[in-house]
Amino acid sequence: GAVVSQHPSRVICKSGTSVKIECRSLDFQATTMFWYRQFPKQSLMLMATSNEGSKATYEQGVEKDKFLINHASLTLSTLTVTSAHPEDSSFYICSARTGGAPDTQYFGPGTRLTVL
Amino acid sequence: ILNVEQSPQSLHVQEGDSTNFTCSFPSSNFYALHWYRWETAKSPEALFVMTLNGDEKKKGRISATLNTKEGYSYLYIKGSQPEDSATYLCARVRGTASKLTFGTGTRLQVTL
Repeated sequence: GAVVSQHPSRVICKSGTSVKIECRSLDFQATTMFWYRQFPKQSLMLMATSNEGSKATYEQGVEKDKFLINHASLTLSTLTVTSAHPEDSSFYICSARTGGAPDTQYFGPGTRLTVL
Repeated sequence: ILNVEQSPQSLHVQEGDSTNFTCSFPSSNFYALHWYRWETAKSPEALFVMTLNGDEKKKGRISATLNTKEGYSYLYIKGSQPEDSATYLCARVRGTASKLTFGTGTRLQVTL
């Protein structure tokens, strides 16, 4: 149980285009999902917290107009990288919180974004 | 310690060896510590969630201990196997919103 999928696994796009990444909890409902980013040789860095039915909350230094998050249902959150630039190239990964005891986050497999 | 730190960065052991690595974290305002196992091209797999000082958890050949007063956790693998090869991540929970602050991980490679 507790499987999280992420799509696409890999995307290459041109500078200036927008890219949407989907994160789905397949066998449980997640009122809270998290989006992380990982640059080479660095740790996973939390970008934002996605709450079903309300606005996402962003970590300091993360542009909310650049990284649009929608959490329209209990099993789906999307991250849209708008007007992508080469510096947005990174590994993006989501997690979904079970809210049970212990409170565990289950991760998707991640999306490798390359902006040309 | 201001951030979550893991050591060593990488480790190369022979099959059958036992090994351990360290996660250090700020000890103030502690809520919980997570350990994950992350194989290449797969999702990070939740291993343990630890909350209490002195906690010790075990899953097969893998176990972990927690010292919240001094701010560290150890992960032990007994009798390493090639399938244990992965990056092991620890993450400290920040506050009640369950936000995680990750270390950079320990990359373990187990060879025959």
